[in-house]
Parts: sequence; structure tokens; C-alpha cells
Amino acid sequence: GQNIDQPTEMTATEGAIVQINCTYQTSGFNGLFWYQQHAGEAPTFLSYNVLDGLEETGRFSSFLSRSKGYRYLLLKELQMKDSASYLCAVMDSNYQLIWGAGTKLIIKP
Amino acid sequence: GAVVSQHPSWVICKSGTSVKIECRSLDFQATTMFWYRQFPKQSLMLMATSNEGSKATYEQGVEKDKFLINHASLTLSTLTVTSAHPEDSSFYICSARGQGAQETQYFGPGTRLLVL
Repeated sequence: GQNIDQPTEMTATEGAIVQINCTYQTSGFNGLFWYQQHAGEAPTFLSYNVLDGLEETGRFSSFLSRSKGYRYLLLKELQMKDSASYLCAVMDSNYQLIWGAGTKLIIKP
Repeated sequence: GAVVSQHPSWVICKSGTSVKIECRSLDFQATTMFWYRQFPKQSLMLMATSNEGSKATYEQGVEKDKFLINHASLTLSTLTVTSAHPEDSSFYICSARGQGAQETQYFGPGTRLLVL
């Protein structure tokens, strides 16, 4: 079967940096997506990687290196509002999104 | 990013009634729309995928006669929960994608359904 693995929960301090990893086993690969979901709200799109490299949007970066097995979301200068779940999703060979269960990120002052 | 709206945002209904949820793409044409359900503290679960003008494809375990999906135009898809029961109470979220299969899915704000 297909599956996405990411940490269930992570804790970090305000102002720090945190890296959320994502590993996957899917039939094919057509890109990796990251979404942010605050409690009680719908997910919002953060980033998309299909080629190896770094995608940056403000304080958030997503990195993909398929050959080296690195796939992660990096959050810098953490703010309390970054407390949320971060969902990793991989698009398989049928262009279906396979979703991870999400990583709950807790930011402490 | 693209904008997707959902209506209503909250529904409270009696057991046995039907509830219709609308999902609209406001600034792009959504060839494909997706309907998800999420129970508290659980993962997103894909219920069905709908392409404009054709029948929806339901995921295993999702009753197509209970969850009726219509995708009549490139900007509107509806989900009707027929004869709702308390166990159908959940957070229903739609997402929409443009014409390219690799395009990003953008989510609506979700609809909270509470069946009494």
C-alpha cells in the first residue's frame, strides 16, 4: 500500500527553527505538497516540490532531494501563530494525493 | 493562491434530514473537486473525487447513495448528505484543482455538520 510518514507531534520554542520530515512509499511521484492546518480550520497550501531543490516562502522553506532521501519543511523564526498541524502529501503516478496524518507543532514561549 | 468558498460553514440538523453543502471556486475553473471528511483530531479522509460533467469517484467505504455529489459546472460542486445521522457529524472540506492534474489543490474553509 501507499503511505506517508511524518512525526505525530513536535515541540519548539518561539524564535527557533524546526524541521518537519516526511517520508513516503507511493506508486510513483509527481510532487510533494505541504499544507498548514490550524485547529478547527481547513488546510492551506504552503509549498510544492517536484524537482530537487529548495522552495522558499517567507519564513517557510520546503526541501526535496529524492536521491538523498531528504524531504522536509523548515520553519524559521517561529511565532506562536505557527502552532498548527503540518500535512505532507505526495502525488502518485495517478495524480492522486496521498496524505500524511500531519505533524502537530506546538510552539512554546 | 486560488480562492475556494464553501457554504454553509455550520449546519445543525435533525437526524433523518438531508443537508446540501456547496463548494465554489471563485477565481479559477475547477476541473476537479475533492470532498474530504475529518473527524476531531484525525487525518483528512478523501471521500470522493468529482470531475465536471461526470460521475464522482468514491473512495472505498463511502456510500455513494448517502453522499450525493454533483459537479455541474467548472466552478460549483455540491455534496448532499442524505438522511443524516449523528455519526455523520463531522468537518466536511472541499478542495478544487485546475485543469492540470499536477496543479495544487486549494481548500474551502470547511463545513461543520452536527446531526442531533
